[in-house]
Amino acid sequence: DAGVIQSPRHEVTEMGQEVTLRCKPISGHNSLFWYRQTMMRGLELLIYFNNNVPIDDSGMPEDRFSAKMPNASFSTLKIQPSEPRDSAVYFCASSVVGQGPYEQYFGPGTRLTVT
Amino acid sequence: AQSVAQPEDQVNVAEGNPLTVKCTYSVSGNPYLFWYVQYPNRGLQFLLKYITGDNLVKGSYGFEAEFNKSQTSFHLKKPSALVSDSALYFCAVRAAMNRDDKIIFGKGTRLHILP
Repeated sequence: DAGVIQSPRHEVTEMGQEVTLRCKPISGHNSLFWYRQTMMRGLELLIYFNNNVPIDDSGMPEDRFSAKMPNASFSTLKIQPSEPRDSAVYFCASSVVGQGPYEQYFGPGTRLTVT
Repeated sequence: AQSVAQPEDQVNVAEGNPLTVKCTYSVSGNPYLFWYVQYPNRGLQFLLKYITGDNLVKGSYGFEAEFNKSQTSFHLKKPSALVSDSALYFCAVRAAMNRDDKIIFGKGTRLHILP
């Protein structure tokens, strides 16, 4: 199995531009999580989906952030417009929902730099 | 509310010595507890978890953790440290009674193994 796949691995953009981060979860996993990691704030859960449905988006910082999961094998996190304070590493993770608890499997992350 | 504390930002251990990375938690009812490791420029990797049963849990790379309900702790241990164990370690918790799969991560402890 290829594990959780994220793209791009690095993104550099200018303030005000739209940024789209992509994630492909592990096949057969039905929960997907988006996290943000910074030195100052550590690892923060932004949103998570269960069976493609957003369950908890309380961690999404503001309306500039949106996430979708149109099917079981693909999710996007969009920032529009981007700001320098959005610079961080964004991780996607997936797991199985069931009799668990099952551990989450993390992707390699997307390092976002907004100038 | 669920919370997890890692009281040490950094732990330094000489190679070959035993290591301990501390974690305490707060949840309503019984906990599910996890340890993850993050190597530079990588996503988090699952090490081990406690669900129920034996208080001593064994995981990957020779790590183990001891669940102590009275002290609400779940410290990570290894009998003999390797330089390659140097990484960022995260403790995480979820209340067993919760129906969702959201877990709460600590801020992380950076482990330095000195040659």
